[in-house]
Amino acid sequence: GAVVSQHPSWVICKSGTSVKIECRSLDFQATTMFWYRQFPKQSLMLMATSNEGSKATYEQGVEKDKFLINHASLTLSTLTVTSAHPEDSSFYICSARKRGLTDTQYFGPGTRLTVL
Amino acid sequence: AQKITQTQPGMFVQEKEAVTLDCTYDTSDPSYGLFWYKQPSSGEMIFLIYQGSYDQQNATEGRYSLNFQKARKSANLVISASQLGDSAMYFCAMRPNTGTASKLTFGTGTRLQVTL
Repeated sequence: GAVVSQHPSWVICKSGTSVKIECRSLDFQATTMFWYRQFPKQSLMLMATSNEGSKATYEQGVEKDKFLINHASLTLSTLTVTSAHPEDSSFYICSARKRGLTDTQYFGPGTRLTVL
Repeated sequence: AQKITQTQPGMFVQEKEAVTLDCTYDTSDPSYGLFWYKQPSSGEMIFLIYQGSYDQQNATEGRYSLNFQKARKSANLVISASQLGDSAMYFCAMRPNTGTASKLTFGTGTRLQVTL
């Protein structure tokens, strides 16, 4: 199998503060990780592709300065929501691509962010 | 561009019965991968099954099988002998095999409810 962890699983913060979410591939190396956002009863929306050792690639409409992504090692990517506001409240979920025949993305358990 | 269509927002199935969740796709890529993920209420996305566009046989993984009809561009998920624990959202996704991005395109999902 392939296990991806995400921390924290939930976080509540005040408006204007920054929040860091970690995504780790526990039993495989991942040169590429992905960050998604999911609104209630909706599908996943890709925010950015995180590449180890290089800058992240953001999807259209996603603010780079708002959502900082760092992929410092082959097993860790972080998403920092800077100066969070209530509209940033959402479910954030990461995935790590396991290289191989199928290049399957394995997902973390997600982080529920609530900004007050 | 790729597009995934899941036309069934919700499905009910009785325990121990089989159920088919529909998925159609549209792509101009000659080579691609099709995935199904399960998302229980906890939020984690669980990888279920993969089908490659050039695979000759339909994929199977335990109680999950994929009814792949390439000419019709459909990749329906069949769950046999449904269990109460199968109640969840199910997402169909596709990834082109060309390029290096390996980005997944998701459908809108189908909520499956298994009843006694």
